Amino acid sequence: DIQMTQSPSTLSASVGDRVTITCRASQSISSWLAWYQQKPGKAPKLLIYKASSLESGVPSRFSGSGSGTEFTLTISSLQPDDFATYYCQQYNSILTTFGQGTKVEIK
Amino acid sequence: QVQLQESGPGLVKPSQTLSLTCTVSGGSISSGSYYWTWIRQPAGKGLEWIGRIYASGSTNYNPSLKSRVTISVDTSKNQFSLKLSSVTAADTAVYYCARYVGAQYYFDFWGQGTLVTVSS
Repeated sequence: DIQMTQSPSTLSASVGDRVTITCRASQSISSWLAWYQQKPGKAPKLLIYKASSLESGVPSRFSGSGSGTEFTLTISSLQPDDFATYYCQQYNSILTTFGQGTKVEIK
Repeated sequence: QVQLQESGPGLVKPSQTLSLTCTVSGGSISSGSYYWTWIRQPAGKGLEWIGRIYASGSTNYNPSLKSRVTISVDTSKNQFSLKLSSVTAADTAVYYCARYVGAQYYFDFWGQGTLVTVSS
């Protein structure tokens, strides 16, 4: 199975900060990586798919990059609505797995 | 806009079978290159993919749960269902149904989730 390692597990930041979250795969997954945002008590929401494609309706301050085994999610200027937990999700085989999550907290 | 809604008992006794149904609205479960999936999340923990079904009835399951999981589809009702047998407290979680885009490998629409507690 492909393991996904997200870092950091928790991130403290202020409104306006540039935030970067990293996801590393235990083996190459090409560009088959998606990013989700989850708020407490809510279902995850798709932000980015195929590593760098922005889902329709998602603010342009969110961006994704990477391929192979290393990927990043960047929030260019953190907004109050962005404090949440973020998950990466990989596809390499039928079994799809998620990272353990990165909680973005208010500093 | 596609919407998904989970339904089923919120409390299941240990060793019994957990049964949930996901009703899809705003689109046909039979159209497009989509898989209909179940994902769960224990309290305070990450997301675990349980399995998926295509409208044809073809299924794939997480190997860690495969011996206990059955996913089925009823295209006439635009629903798909999850059965998880021999449950224990470790199966207590929020269960989500979601649409999986087969060609691009991501989940684009999710249900709101339903908490299932395994307890006597």
